Parts: sequence; structure tokens; C-alpha cells
Amino acid sequence: SQQGEEDPQALSIQEGENATMNCSYKTSINNLQWYRQNSGRGLVHLILIRSNEREKHSGRLRVTLDTSKKSSSLLITASRAADTASYFCATDAWNTGFQKLVFGTGTRLLVSP
Amino acid sequence: DGGITQSPKYLFRKEGQNVTLSCEQNLNHDAMYWYRQDPGQGLRLIYYSQIVNDFQKGDIAEGYSVSREKKESFPLTVTSAQKNPTAFYLCASSVGGAINYGYTFGSGTRLTVV
Repeated sequence: SQQGEEDPQALSIQEGENATMNCSYKTSINNLQWYRQNSGRGLVHLILIRSNEREKHSGRLRVTLDTSKKSSSLLITASRAADTASYFCATDAWNTGFQKLVFGTGTRLLVSP
Repeated sequence: DGGITQSPKYLFRKEGQNVTLSCEQNLNHDAMYWYRQDPGQGLRLIYYSQIVNDFQKGDIAEGYSVSREKKESFPLTVTSAQKNPTAFYLCASSVGGAINYGYTFGSGTRLTVV
């Protein structure tokens, strides 16, 4: 089934640096979403970008979408230790007339003090 | 506060035993979902329900069963037919389909076979 692939699989940076994660997907989408998961917890919705949007901001988060390349990126600026988590992209997929999310394998981000 | 409650947080299953994972939401969301997450992996969809008394198989439904008798509740039963049930199980809900809405997730149930 359609699935996003995040890159890199793991990323280690220092506090204050920017973190960039990328997501590639295979088929046409209506929207792409990014989620964060702290270790052993559920996922938290961060941002949704529609296929007709190219860039979206939310606080220190910046998401871009390039539908021609079937790719998206998540930029976290001025990272903090509390940003340490796994980040997943998710794309919508049709199934019997109902659109559901298909998740990628995630990027594990470690922000060191 | 509105949200999704999953219980228990940890669950241990003996070989050949059925176990039921609870998922309750007070967000008035129509759609609910069950995902399985294996270590270092993404999420795989087990079952989903668009409305009460209706549910559909996801990508890995074999060995699992669900019911949706109330809008607020979507319990998942892991049956003895599921040969490798050890995993982290996540329940989610949304207002409608993924075309417009993000999902709200519970905090998960970690199931271990002993």
C-alpha cells in the first residue's frame, strides 16, 4: 500500500540547531500530515498541508510540499531538547470510498543540550 | 478535557488466549482506527470504523476483531489466531476522513506475549 518514506532514519543535533526531515511518497495525495511521537507514547498531530499548498508554518515548524517530486520536508528551527522524538509523515489513501492515513517509518530526532 | 483513553497501558497475554484492548473517546468523532506499531517501525492499520455499527479491515486485520456498538468506543480483540501479537497498539479518532482532518491518538497499549 502507499507509504511515505522518511529520510534520514535518525538525526542527532545540538540544541539551537535546525532539524530537517524529508518524506517521499508514491502516489497522488490530497494532503500530507506530520506527527510527533515521544518514546512509548501516542502520536501528536503537528501540521496538515494540502496538495495545492507549497509551504506552511506553525510556530517553529515549517513544512514544504512538492507534489511534482512527491516529497515533503519538515524543518524545526532553533531545536530544543524537548523536540527529541520520532517524526512521521502520513498521506491520505482511498479505501472503499473513505480516505485514511498511511504512515511512513519515521525519523528519530535526538536533540542534545 | 476531550481525548482518547486507551487501557490498559501494559497487557500480558498467554499463548492461546484472547485479549481485548479498550479505546474510548469523548471528542464526538465519527471515525476511529486501530494501528499496530512494531519496534522501529511505522504504523500499520488493523481496522477502522467510519460510523457506529460499521467497520472495515485495514492492511493487517488477520487475527484481530473489533466492534463499534457506541460512537465513543472501539475495542480491539487480539485473538489466538494472531501469531505474533507482541507490539504497541494505538487507537485514533478523527472528525471525518483523512482528506481534511488530522487524527487524535491515545497513549497506546503495549501487549506482550508471555
